[in-house]
Amino acid sequence: QSALTQPASVSGSPGQSITISCTGTSSDVGNYKYVSWYQQHPGKAPKLMIYEVTNRPSGVSNRFSGSKSGNTASLTISGLQADDEADYYCSSYTSSDTVVFGGGTKLTVL
Amino acid sequence: QVQLQESGPGLVKPSETLSLTCTVSSGSITSYYWTWIRQPAGKGLEWIGRIYSSGSSNYNPSLKSRVTMSVDTSKNQFSLRVRSVTAADTAVYYCARGVSSLGYWGQGTLVTVSS
Repeated sequence: QSALTQPASVSGSPGQSITISCTGTSSDVGNYKYVSWYQQHPGKAPKLMIYEVTNRPSGVSNRFSGSKSGNTASLTISGLQADDEADYYCSSYTSSDTVVFGGGTKLTVL
Repeated sequence: QVQLQESGPGLVKPSETLSLTCTVSSGSITSYYWTWIRQPAGKGLEWIGRIYSSGSSNYNPSLKSRVTMSVDTSKNQFSLRVRSVTAADTAVYYCARGVSSLGYWGQGTLVTVSS
């Protein structure tokens, strides 16, 4: 299974909004609602930020939102804060009954 | 709040078998799916596979020939074995709860493959 495609890096200034894309195929992102997004700070375990494309777990700020169009899912972070600086990973359920992750995106808050 | 903790040797010799256990506390292992993920230093996450509390499992096709997962409900633990390891298996290994939405994670444990 091939990794989902994410940009290697994105950046934004405090208060701005950024969007991270996650492109897969009709065998994963395009055909299932089971797309998740994770935030990972250095040396820490990933944290679930979005599940089933658009849903936020309890305790996750509403500044984080998810969407999907065709084979591409997106994570948008509004009102950027310094603590949002981290690596972000998407994942998707696949038609092989497996899960595939994206390569990860490093978010820099300028 | 469910907690997960990985345990096992931090150093494994090439060609040998990597064995890790994940202990679940403050919650039951029953009726849930449990997943293993790994992350080489400076690289992205790789899904290794998952197991249900009944013992049914599914693995990453790229690792399937070398991976076995098991569950021990009496100990609230599940385990990972990776056979015939090489340096490419050096990574931080995480256990987590869920199928595609992994809401609970262990802190991760570094496994180094070296002679």
